[in-house]
Amino acid sequence: DAGVTQSPTHLIKTRGQQVTLRCSPKSGHDTVSWYQQALGQGPQFIFQYYEEEERQRGNFPDRFSGHQFPNYSSELNVNALLLGDSALYLCASSYRGTGSSYEQYFGPGTRLTVT
Amino acid sequence: AQTVTQSQPEMSVQEAETVTLSCTYDTSESDYYLFWYKQPPSRQMILVIRQEAYKQQNATENRFSVNFQKAAKSFSLKISDSQLGDAAMYFCAYRRSSNYKLTFGKGTLLTVNP
Repeated sequence: DAGVTQSPTHLIKTRGQQVTLRCSPKSGHDTVSWYQQALGQGPQFIFQYYEEEERQRGNFPDRFSGHQFPNYSSELNVNALLLGDSALYLCASSYRGTGSSYEQYFGPGTRLTVT
Repeated sequence: AQTVTQSQPEMSVQEAETVTLSCTYDTSESDYYLFWYKQPPSRQMILVIRQEAYKQQNATENRFSVNFQKAAKSFSLKISDSQLGDAAMYFCAYRRSSNYKLTFGKGTLLTVNP
């Protein structure tokens, strides 16, 4: 049973560029959440997708957007990259069905460096 | 807004001994979950243990147990018989029951000395 997978593993971009990160949820999961983890900090919630819609959003600007596909996989897009966007981006999947505790399982992350 | 505080940036323990990591949180909610996650150098966040706020009994998972003090809003993690593989960054996290957002503390880096 494959867990949560993310691609790419590492990415280097230049300030002002745009980036797309990808996530495939754990088998049987239908909900994907994205977190940003700056160096030496705990993860910060960006947003969550369920049924192909953004259901909840953290305190992040509109430069951060996402998408969920019918197969439950998800993309995180960041436009007009800033140096401060350099971080580890974590994807977490969960099952939102009846009786679920919405326990989130994390992927290995994508390390984004903005120069 | 909910906040999670981990006051110990770093901790160390000798192999086979016991260590306790501290966490406090602030919330006005009565129904929520608390978690401890482990993040080794491989970066993958792994769930260690979970506590439902409505349960008075402290959660236990093998060598890992918690001391949940709801009135004091305290949620500490005890690791017994520490092993070298326990070395990692440990994060305390909070989630409202009706919500999906995890709020994390800043983490505690645990070193296990042989």
